Amino acid sequence: GAVVSQHPSWVICKSGTSVKIECRSLDFQATTMFWYRQFPKQSLMLMATSNEGSKATYEQGVEKDKFLINHASLTLSTLTVTSAHPEDSSFYICSARPRSRVRGGTDTQYFGPGTRLTVL
Amino acid sequence: QKEVEQDPGPLSVPEGAIVSLNCTYSNSAFQYFMWYRQYSRKGPELLMYTYSSGNKEDGRFTAQVDKSSKYISLFIRDSQPSDSATYLCAMSEGYGQNFVFGPGTRLSVLP
Repeated sequence: GAVVSQHPSWVICKSGTSVKIECRSLDFQATTMFWYRQFPKQSLMLMATSNEGSKATYEQGVEKDKFLINHASLTLSTLTVTSAHPEDSSFYICSARPRSRVRGGTDTQYFGPGTRLTVL
Repeated sequence: QKEVEQDPGPLSVPEGAIVSLNCTYSNSAFQYFMWYRQYSRKGPELLMYTYSSGNKEDGRFTAQVDKSSKYISLFIRDSQPSDSATYLCAMSEGYGQNFVFGPGTRLSVLP
């Protein structure tokens, strides 16, 4: 259980185009989904937090007009990188927090496999 | 001082060794503690989660939380080359609160 998928796993695009990345929780409902960015050999950098049906909360320094996040349902969130540039090339990872607590009553996030974006 | 600190490594051990990975934190309000394993170019995978202080064991993995010292550990027994990855600790104050991740420790288990 607790599987999160991301699509696509790898995308190459030209500078100036927009790219949409999907994040789905396959076997649970997620009240909150998170989007992270990770550069090689560096830790996760939280970009934004999204709750179903409401606007995303962006971390300081993250351009909300460039990284559009939509959380339309309890199982789907999308990240759209608009007018992508080479400096946006990175590994983007989503995670989802289950709606109900996992057994044992604690709180956690489940991560997707990540999407590698290369902007030429 | 960062909220969560973790030795970045790399940590190299021979196969079969016991590995100890650690995180220290400054926020005494943290109650939920997690360990994730991340292979290169993959998303993090949840290994262990614990609430408050104490130990939790799952196969070759043991998670330990010492809230009085603000210190958490992950022990890996009989380490295998397949354990080579980056290990991230994460913690939160309570259900629904934001998570704070450590920077990760890179582990290499040599055959």
